[in-house]
Amino acid sequence: GQSLEQPSEVTAVEGAIVQINCTYQTSGFYGLSWYQQHDGGAPTFLSYNALDGLEETGRFSSFLSRSDSYGYLLLQELQMKDSASYFCAVRDHRDDKIIFGKGTRLHILP
Amino acid sequence: NAGVTQTPKFRVLKTGQSMTLLCAQDMNHEYMYWYRQDPGMGLRLIHYSVGEGTTAKGEVPDGYNVSRLKKQNFLLGLESAAPSQTSVYFCASSYPPGGLFNEQFFGPGTRLTVL
Repeated sequence: GQSLEQPSEVTAVEGAIVQINCTYQTSGFYGLSWYQQHDGGAPTFLSYNALDGLEETGRFSSFLSRSDSYGYLLLQELQMKDSASYFCAVRDHRDDKIIFGKGTRLHILP
Repeated sequence: NAGVTQTPKFRVLKTGQSMTLLCAQDMNHEYMYWYRQDPGMGLRLIHYSVGEGTTAKGEVPDGYNVSRLKKQNFLLGLESAAPSQTSVYFCASSYPPGGLFNEQFFGPGTRLTVL
């Protein structure tokens, strides 16, 4: 089966940098995605990593190490609007299932 | 383009009642998914479809059925609702994986309460 582990909560200060980690177990790993969800809203796509290394999109970056079954989302220059839940998700290439972690709630202090 | 839409937005059912949730997408996506989201549990995959006429079970399929008769629509049915099915239901769609196409597009959600 598949499973993902990520911290339930993280707190950071406005303007700072925060890293949200995700470790996964899957037999047919295809790629690791990250989604953001504000309270009462729908998840929205942030990034995707299929290969090892860092992908950068503006203030957000995502990293993957397939040998360690590990990835992280890096948020820089934190803004109050970044207060949300962040989910990592993996796709299994054997059956195309996409499984999500339980999410990390990011609290930002002024 | 409307993207992914879900009908209804809210619903209250009594135990044992049945209902169907409708998901529609206008992006010509092959893949469609149904998730449920409960506090502290993240998004759990119920059923999914990789093309018109095909469906497959996800992590938590029991008590639900689905149909994908048209490419743009994915229906989720509850034959006999139970309080444990109280949740927020999200539909999503995507292109087949590969290359740049790895994003799932989510609908706004349906908040279902079963009394």
